[in-house]
Amino acid sequence: KAGVTQTPRYLIKTRGQQVTLSCSPISGHRSVSWYQQTPGQGLQFLFEYFSETQRNKGNFPGRFSGRQFSNSRSEMNVSTLELGDSALYLCASSLLASGPQETQYFGPGTRLLVL
Amino acid sequence: DQQVKQNSPSLSVQEGRISILNCDYTNSMFDYFLWYKKYPAEGPTFLISISSIKDKNEDGRFTVFLNKSAKHLSLHIVPSQPGDSAVYFCAASGETSGSRLTFGEGTQLTVNP
Repeated sequence: KAGVTQTPRYLIKTRGQQVTLSCSPISGHRSVSWYQQTPGQGLQFLFEYFSETQRNKGNFPGRFSGRQFSNSRSEMNVSTLELGDSALYLCASSLLASGPQETQYFGPGTRLLVL
Repeated sequence: DQQVKQNSPSLSVQEGRISILNCDYTNSMFDYFLWYKKYPAEGPTFLISISSIKDKNEDGRFTVFLNKSAKHLSLHIVPSQPGDSAVYFCAASGETSGSRLTFGEGTQLTVNP
C-alpha cells in the first residue's frame, strides 16, 4: 500500500507570493492533518480535514488555508508569504481520525524556502 | 507557550547502552502521549504511546514511562542500536483535541557503534 505522498518536495518562493502544497493520503484514509515544522519549534498543528470538512484548526493566521477533495486529497495554501513561513510542511493521514489512539501516518513533507 | 517540552536537543550514547529521552508537559488536560521517530528526508513515524491510566508501556526495546504528578514522560531504548539514530518527538493529546497532537521540539539521538 502506498504511503502518504506530498508534492512538491521542495519549493522556493519570494516574499508576497502565494503557494499551494498537495497531500495524497493513504488509500482509504479520510482524515488529513497538516503540521508546520521549524527549527526549535517542533511540529505545530495547522488544521485537520475529514470528509472535506475542516474539523480542527491551529493557531495560525488566516493566510494559511486548506481544503480537502472528495478523494481525500488535501491542499494547503499560504498567501502573502513571509520569511518566517520557511519551514517543512508535513501532512498526516489516518483512517477515521477517531482520536489520538489511531495511528497517524506522515508524509515526507514539503520543504518551503521563502526568500 | 510550549505545552510540550523536550529540554535536551541532542543525546549521544554508545551502542548497546540505554538511551533515555525526556519530555515534560504543562497542560493537565493531556491524557494520551506518543513518541514519534524521524529520519532525515522522511516523515515522522509512530513509535509507542501511553494512556494516562497507565504509568508504563513496553514494546520490545522501547518503554515509555509516565509520571502524571510530575507531568513528565520518558522513552527508554534498551539496548540502543546505531539504526536508532534519529530525531525523537514527544507528542500529547487531550480528550477534546480529537486527532490534534501537540509536539515537543524533538531530541536528536545519536547511537555510536
